[in-house]
Amino acid sequence: EAQVTQNPRYLITVTGKKLTVTCSQNMNHEYMSWYRQDPGLGLRQIYYSMNVEVTDKGDVPEGYKVSRKEKRNFPLILESPSPNQTSLYFCASSLPGTAYNEQFFGPGTRLTVL
Amino acid sequence: KQEVTQIPAALSVPEGENLVLNCSFTDSAIYNLQWFRQDPGKGLTSLLLIQSSQREQTSGRLNASLDKSSGRSTLYIAASQPGDSATYLCAVRTNSGGYQKVTFGIGTKLQVIP
Repeated sequence: EAQVTQNPRYLITVTGKKLTVTCSQNMNHEYMSWYRQDPGLGLRQIYYSMNVEVTDKGDVPEGYKVSRKEKRNFPLILESPSPNQTSLYFCASSLPGTAYNEQFFGPGTRLTVL
Repeated sequence: KQEVTQIPAALSVPEGENLVLNCSFTDSAIYNLQWFRQDPGKGLTSLLLIQSSQREQTSGRLNASLDKSSGRSTLYIAASQPGDSATYLCAVRTNSGGYQKVTFGIGTKLQVIP
């Protein structure tokens, strides 16, 4: 089954404790992206990747890191989480370019930083 | 910077009515526009994707149109049903210096009353 998976689905952590949210897709998509969703602000793009070793900042990259060493994986790293990073996070993938490039979303990770 | 606006923010209609949701964007240099629905506490489900060269797409009771030059898209839902109750999001993929950023609107929360 074609899908985007994220782990963990729920996470409660404390300020400053490094964490990684994993994202994996099995559709051989080049384009992958991370979003956060907050009430009243909608979904905002954090980082995206056009292909392996090619990443770029979205609209809200501060406090986050990403890496794209393999095509299927795109982990989101919070080196020193803070309470303002409490949010619902989504990973997505698609084909790039001007072809039909529908985005497929993972189920989401609800992160709480105390 | 691309900005996406969705009007109205919320809509309540009786079952059976036809309705239109609006999405506008400021930068017409887009690759595509995608409509999603999101149920409370859930992930995103793709409804329709319109490529920049297309004018409309249809799927069942849904019809999405795109007027790139005026920066507008509409999602038409025919014969609404209570199961259509959800938040509807539009997302625009924009050419950004050779990269591809995605910008979401905040959404329209739809309630269909039986």
